[in-house]
Amino acid sequence: AQSVTQLDSHVSVSEGTPVLLRCNYSSSYSPSLFWYVQHPNKGLQLLLKYTSAATLVKGINGFEAEFKKSETSFHLTKPSAHMSDAAEYFCVVNDQTGANNLFFGTGTRLTVIP
Amino acid sequence: DTGVSQDPRHKITKRGQNVTFRCDPISEHNRLYWYRQTLGQGPEFLTYFQNEAQLEKSRLLSDRFSAERPKGSFSTLEIQRTEQGDSAMYLCASSLKGATNEKLFFGSGTQLSVL
Repeated sequence: AQSVTQLDSHVSVSEGTPVLLRCNYSSSYSPSLFWYVQHPNKGLQLLLKYTSAATLVKGINGFEAEFKKSETSFHLTKPSAHMSDAAEYFCVVNDQTGANNLFFGTGTRLTVIP
Repeated sequence: DTGVSQDPRHKITKRGQNVTFRCDPISEHNRLYWYRQTLGQGPEFLTYFQNEAQLEKSRLLSDRFSAERPKGSFSTLEIQRTEQGDSAMYLCASSLKGATNEKLFFGSGTQLSVL
């Protein structure tokens, strides 16, 4: 079975400081992993996607994530937080059965302090 | 707007009533998904269609829930005899099977409150 665990339900950073949102995955095969962002009253938006190519994945809005098989981790980072980054972030794994079903973590709420 | 649209945005109903939600996917997308998101949780998969065929249903989808996609375009999700536990955000997503970099595009959701 595949699943993801987001280690922090809430992260608070000051504007201009680095962001680290942690995610560990469990999968019996090489997974596809994603990070989605959800702003209030808006649809989920894909930030980035890992599909067994480069282990360091660059996404939109300056975010990136590194796939570490030895640690079963896929942490999301950004060098400098912006006020507009405040949102809910979800780490997601694909079930790889061909249906493209996604399994979401419980989410991490990012607060950016001015 | 060419994204995924859902209607209504909000629905308040009394326990025991039936409700129906609609999802219009991106026009060329052949796959359509329904997810449910409760407060403080990530979205959970309910069901998905490829064209008009419903190919998979989650165990979360009780017999009070039914989804259709009659012409392979828009989809409806009906909940019969609603219960307070059905209160959640219902999300629709669509994708194009076979696309080089297939990804899901989500709508803004329908927020259901069962009183």
